[in-house]
Amino acid sequence: GAGVSQSPSNKVTEKGKDVELRCDPISGHTALYWYRQSLGQGLEFLIYFQGNSAPDKSGLPSDRFSAERTGGSVSTLTIQRTQQEDSAVYLCASNLLFTGAEAFFGQGTRLTVV
Amino acid sequence: GQNIDQPTEMTATEGAIVQINCTYQTSGFNGLFWYQQHAGEAPTFLSYNVLDGLEEKGRFSSFLSRSKGYSYLLLKELQMKDSASYLCAVNRDDKIIFGKGTRLHILP
Repeated sequence: GAGVSQSPSNKVTEKGKDVELRCDPISGHTALYWYRQSLGQGLEFLIYFQGNSAPDKSGLPSDRFSAERTGGSVSTLTIQRTQQEDSAVYLCASNLLFTGAEAFFGQGTRLTVV
Repeated sequence: GQNIDQPTEMTATEGAIVQINCTYQTSGFNGLFWYQQHAGEAPTFLSYNVLDGLEEKGRFSSFLSRSKGYSYLLLKELQMKDSASYLCAVNRDDKIIFGKGTRLHILP
């Protein structure tokens, strides 16, 4: 596609439910990032997929969070047993795998846990 | 944001110049990005520095000192549309880590 696509754009869920957030990166981009942004805050790194290497999961805040990237393209971020503090905008970005490559962002998924 | 520090908020006047500073921990450093983010929108790329010195791009310039772990973004001839958050991000061991951002308010 022309840009990074994320779905859904908005998600309201009840506390304790599981949610799946999807990211379609730019075609040909081998690196993919997930970030979380709470209201008025900066971007919190969650996970980084780099080509065929093992993902860097060092930013995942708890074992309720997981992500996978199938076929080197689409990625899904799953949050199990959602809590109210999980409410935030989840942003996905992709870039070509070389140092200094510009990361292109999707419009994000706004998650509200009620 | 993993020891990437920038001021939380700044205010400047339309037509003026503003400098937004960023300091970072130098371990694993592979370059520094500046992104702009308008409220409710995704961040967009402004600049990338990997070597020391100043990179100029129109009204925006970005400076890097690797030895000092310091960068700044310079915005000239400020316009109202420059009201946004400016995010400093470090390429550290090939992943991009962001600071908390600086909210810039432009007064007419």
